[in-house]
Amino acid sequence: KQEVTQIPAALSVPEGENLVLNCSFTDSAIYNLQWFRQDPGKGLTSLLLIQSSQREQTSGRLNASLDKSSGRSTLYIAASQPGDSATYLCAGLPNDYKLSFGAGTTVTVRA
Amino acid sequence: DVKVTQSSRYLVKRTGEKVFLECVQDMDHENMFWYRQDPGLGLRLIYFSYDVKMKEKGDIPEGYSVSREKKERFSLILESASTNQTSMYLCASSSKANQPQHFGDGTRLSIL
Repeated sequence: KQEVTQIPAALSVPEGENLVLNCSFTDSAIYNLQWFRQDPGKGLTSLLLIQSSQREQTSGRLNASLDKSSGRSTLYIAASQPGDSATYLCAGLPNDYKLSFGAGTTVTVRA
Repeated sequence: DVKVTQSSRYLVKRTGEKVFLECVQDMDHENMFWYRQDPGLGLRLIYFSYDVKMKEKGDIPEGYSVSREKKERFSLILESASTNQTSMYLCASSSKANQPQHFGDGTRLSIL
């Protein structure tokens, strides 16, 4: 069974600093990896999806990389803003429909 | 944009009641999913469906059932609610297995 780990569990940075969020997975045979954002008491918002054949995806200030051989994905958020404060979750999809979620990294961006 | 709508944001029910949670998506997606999210346990898959009238058990199906009579609607049923089913329930949909899953806003269910 795919296990997904996110370290650190929490992160606090001053506004303007770049954020680096890490995700590791045990089974390199993933189909894709998806990053989500979750605000308190809300559902998940899909940020980026990286297919297994890709190495990275970019959307605005967000960039996600995937290294299947090392079992790692990294989400970079450039020039962080207080509105980026949220919990960020990564999820790996093996060869079926079942996403395996990490526990998330809770980010606080201080103004 | 994909819209996944869950019928209730908050719900309070009593032990032993039969509880229905409804989810509707507007993008003609093939796949729909029900998760629960608990502090310290993360998101866990309860059931999913890859076609109308088709369902598959996820990691924690005990105490739950599902119904998918129409493509756009996926219902989660708690046959006899218990206090350990107090949780945040999240519905999601995707067009294909390797495409992004899109989530609703969640239903916070309390069983008293």
